[in-house]
Amino acid sequence: DIQLTQSPSFLSASVGDRVTITCRASQGISSYLAWYQQKPGKAPKLLIYAASTLQSGVPSRFSGSGSGTEFTLTISSLQPEDFATYYCQQLNSFGPGTKVDIK
Amino acid sequence: EVQLVQSGAEVKKPGESLRISCKGSGYSFTSYWISWVRQMPGKGLEWMGRIDPSDSYTNYSPSFQGHVTISADKSISTAYLQWSSLKASDTAMYYCARREDSLTFDPWGQGTLVTVSS
Repeated sequence: DIQLTQSPSFLSASVGDRVTITCRASQGISSYLAWYQQKPGKAPKLLIYAASTLQSGVPSRFSGSGSGTEFTLTISSLQPEDFATYYCQQLNSFGPGTKVDIK
Repeated sequence: EVQLVQSGAEVKKPGESLRISCKGSGYSFTSYWISWVRQMPGKGLEWMGRIDPSDSYTNYSPSFQGHVTISADKSISTAYLQWSSLKASDTAMYYCARREDSLTFDPWGQGTLVTVSS
């Protein structure tokens, strides 16, 4: 099975900051990677699929890139509603999550 | 609107059985697999298994094989996750999610909290 790791596991940032989260796969997965946002007490929400395609309705400040074994999720200007935990996913595997907290 | 609506929170004792449900609406229920995902308190997401509602074919994660059963009733567009004998370690939030052609999970149900305590 493919293992996914994320870094950092936790980050503290301010409104307006540019934030980058990295997801690494234990073997090449082409561009079959998705990103989800989960807020406390809520179900995960799909943000990006196929590594870089923005899901309909997701703000354009979110972007994804990468292929093979290294992928990134970038939030260009962090907004108050973006404080959440972010997970990457490939097939049936999820990364361990990155919690984005208020500095 | 494509939607998955799950059954309500459950409080059970160890050894009891349980079945929770996930009802799909707004799309052809038999055209997409349904997966179940566990989230233990304060932890990450774990894929448990999936079902193809068109023929009820199932796949399970090795971590959950033999511990849970996934089923579906396509006549009422509902998938199920069941336990025959709950343990305290089954305490978690359980989500159902539709598997998209893009190999993602979307949408998700609102989650069902299962608490197992004596």
